[in-house]
Amino acid sequence: QKEVEQNSGPLSVPEGAIASLNCTYSDRGSQSFFWYRQYSGKSPELIMSIYSNGDKEDGRFTAQLNKASQYVSLLIRDSQPSDSATYLCAVTSGGGADGLTFGKGTHLIIQP
Amino acid sequence: DTAVSQTPKYLVTQMGNDKSIKCEQNLGHDTMYWYKQDSKKFLKIMFSYNNKELIINETVPNRFSPKSPDKAHLNLHINSLELGDSAVYFCASSVRTDVGYTFGSGTRLTVV
Repeated sequence: QKEVEQNSGPLSVPEGAIASLNCTYSDRGSQSFFWYRQYSGKSPELIMSIYSNGDKEDGRFTAQLNKASQYVSLLIRDSQPSDSATYLCAVTSGGGADGLTFGKGTHLIIQP
Repeated sequence: DTAVSQTPKYLVTQMGNDKSIKCEQNLGHDTMYWYKQDSKKFLKIMFSYNNKELIINETVPNRFSPKSPDKAHLNLHINSLELGDSAVYFCASSVRTDVGYTFGSGTRLTVV
């Protein structure tokens, strides 16, 4: 049974600080890793993907992957109130039509 | 010019009824999916189709039947609706799983 674990939160971070979101996964064969953002009542939106160990930066977002520890994280720098949302970690072991396995999400609150 | 569109957005129905949810994507993707998001926001895959062929059929009651008339459409028919079917159902599409999905806006199904 493939599992993806996230702390459900809420995680409260002051505006302008760095928000750090963490995720662990059980399937060592996992190859592709994603972070989705979901605002209340909306659909998930892909914000980051990462495939190899190390860091990947995109604007204020940095994804970090450590396959040996089966750990993925997302850092959000200069957090804004608009970053308040649920962040979903997702992993897959294959390409093709294999599905993504999602964690239950971390609810992030950025306090003005 | 919505990329992945679902109809209806809201669906309220009585137990025992049969209902359908429609999904269409105009992204030219080969793969489409149905996901269920329960009241605790957990997203779980139900089905995936690649170019009209069923690829993934997770442990879902056989009251749920997907149909893909062409690679741009994936519909979900649900027979004999039960209270536990109440959830948000998301359609998604992708070129391949390992590049992430584009989600539709979701259908909130409430069974009373």
